[in-house]
Amino acid sequence: RKEVEQDPGPFNVPEGATVAFNCTYSNSASQSFFWYRQDCRKEPKLLMSVYSSGNEDGRFTAQLNRASQYISLLIRDSKLSDSATYLCVVKDNFNKFYFGSGTKLNVKP
Amino acid sequence: NAGVTQTPKFRILKIGQSMTLQCTQDMNHNYMYWYRQDPGMGLKLIYYSVGAGITDKGEVPNGYNVSRSTTEDFPLRLELAAPSQTSVYFCASSDTQTEQYFGPGTRLTVT
Repeated sequence: RKEVEQDPGPFNVPEGATVAFNCTYSNSASQSFFWYRQDCRKEPKLLMSVYSSGNEDGRFTAQLNRASQYISLLIRDSKLSDSATYLCVVKDNFNKFYFGSGTKLNVKP
Repeated sequence: NAGVTQTPKFRILKIGQSMTLQCTQDMNHNYMYWYRQDPGMGLKLIYYSVGAGITDKGEVPNGYNVSRSTTEDFPLRLELAAPSQTSVYFCASSDTQTEQYFGPGTRLTVT
């Protein structure tokens, strides 16, 4: 069983749409949670950390459900520039990071 | 701060050749990592280090070696390159309170 599982997509949405990605993780002792963004042929970059109470950064909202071991990312008012692959990442208490395979988003004009 | 730097950016190797991928970070992070990413796939951990002098295997260590003589540097050595090692290699660093920071990657082709 993979440590972190994500729907690979692709999600094809029009500009202005709201889109949600989900991910599940298997290790209940996981300590920290993140969403990274990866553009084609580039390194992953941190989009946002995910906190138990949920958190928002502009058009992006992240939620964590520890009981269900489930993380989500909501993108409102999608822009063309949001087109990328979104990686769900979980850190354990030994500072090892586990990456999902990524969910590809295509925002169309 | 430069963050995490990697050299070279690109390299073509012949089967059986060897090379070292360089990685340096200037954030004084204790933890460093090497990943490979094949086209259309996720990141796979090759090796990681929790501090100078300490390294451990990740998910796919075969065909690779690492060393960590300083906090800043974490080179990855490929011995006897094989076509299966054609990939993009990312180095990353972190500390206990931080996320991971990635270098720009090295694109390696083995022919």
